[in-house]
Amino acid sequence: SQKIEQNSEALNIQEGKTATLTCNYTNYSPAYLQWYRQDPGRGPVFLLLIRENEKEKRKERLKVTFDTTLKQSLFHITASQPADSATYLCALGGGGFKTIFGAGTRLFVKA
Amino acid sequence: DTGVSQDPRHKITKRGQNVTFRCDPISEHNRLYWYRQTLGQGPEFLTYFQNEAQLEKSRLLSDRFSAERPKGSFSTLEIQRTEQGDSAMYLCASSSIRDRENEQFFGPGTRLTVL
Repeated sequence: SQKIEQNSEALNIQEGKTATLTCNYTNYSPAYLQWYRQDPGRGPVFLLLIRENEKEKRKERLKVTFDTTLKQSLFHITASQPADSATYLCALGGGGFKTIFGAGTRLFVKA
Repeated sequence: DTGVSQDPRHKITKRGQNVTFRCDPISEHNRLYWYRQTLGQGPEFLTYFQNEAQLEKSRLLSDRFSAERPKGSFSTLEIQRTEQGDSAMYLCASSSIRDRENEQFFGPGTRLTVL
């Protein structure tokens, strides 16, 4: 069955450093991969999308890579700030209408 | 338009009762999704509508769950004969078929507690 794995352990980093989150998947060939941010008690908020034919995408302090051979995406937040503290979810789509979400990785940025 | 809204925000019910949730998507969005999320997990896909047509439904969804989007605008999700395992946050999201990024806009969710 389709499976997405994100680091279950929380990531703690110091303000100003780069946070790197990992998303691995199996038994799936997504046409695209999305990253969402979720704060406690709220619905996820879309950050960006990367397609299967794109290796890297940037948006402001965010960078995403997508390796379809390794079946992995890396999500980077540069110059991290305490306001970046949240849960980050990766989601796979393009195989029909269903979007499959990972369990998310909790990020804590210390001032 | 203020975004996706869901009603109620919280629902407490006794096991065996039926519950119905409502989702109002962003008005020009023709795609609508329902998800269920439990603590420490990501949203789990339940069903998808394009306009009024229900095009995909999770195989994990038992026949106690039904969803409708009668006029292609708001949607309802009904759970019959609720069980304690149904306790979760139920999220609705909408997106536009014209959006190449398929950005899904999520509502605040309905938190269901089954006693």
